Amino acid sequence: DAKTTQPNSMESNEEEPVHLPCNHSTISGTDYIHWYRQLPSQGPEYVIHGLTSNVNNRMASLAIAEDRKSSTLILHRATLRDAAVYYCILRDMGGQGGKLIFGQGTELSVKP
Amino acid sequence: EAQVTQNPRYLITVTGKKLTVTCSQNMNHEYMSWYRQDPGLGLRQIYYSMNVEVTDKGDVPEGYKVSRKEKRNFPLILESPSPNQTSLYFCASSLRAGGSSYNSPLHFGNGTRLTVT
Repeated sequence: DAKTTQPNSMESNEEEPVHLPCNHSTISGTDYIHWYRQLPSQGPEYVIHGLTSNVNNRMASLAIAEDRKSSTLILHRATLRDAAVYYCILRDMGGQGGKLIFGQGTELSVKP
Repeated sequence: EAQVTQNPRYLITVTGKKLTVTCSQNMNHEYMSWYRQDPGLGLRQIYYSMNVEVTDKGDVPEGYKVSRKEKRNFPLILESPSPNQTSLYFCASSLRAGGSSYNSPLHFGNGTRLTVT
């Protein structure tokens, strides 16, 4: 099963951009890269996902390396409400998409 | 409102007393899954179901059972709970396990905090 590696924690200042890295060197050609975040006392929530091209939505941007062995979640202007644990996972687009490995994620703290 | 509903939110029980944590989704999703979350260990997958009557083990299935008799429900069963199953449990669903891009985002419930004494 393909795994991801993330830093345990990161700090950011409010209103500044945040770049959260994720390594997935064993990614297969059919794996989508997903990001989720978990706010305190809540279940994880979907943030963004992509396959090869960079992706943008109202929450964040996802930058995917050309070789797909790493990706970066970008929060353009961090707010205090973005303090959460961020998980990067791989999800197979085909028949093997059932088993998922979340890991420990990156705990992001945002300072005012 | 589209949602994944888990019940109960909190449960305290004793060793060996069978219990069931329910999970229901109203989005007609094919894929459902259970996770446990423990400090320092992140989210670990217990079981998943690709569709009705199709279930498979995740990374930590020991001591748990699941069933998927109908699409909307995916209960987690602890036949003989032990203290090491004290944890925070999450259920999640998605339209499908794989396939095209729009199928895949997971929707999570709010969690069930289980304490086994």
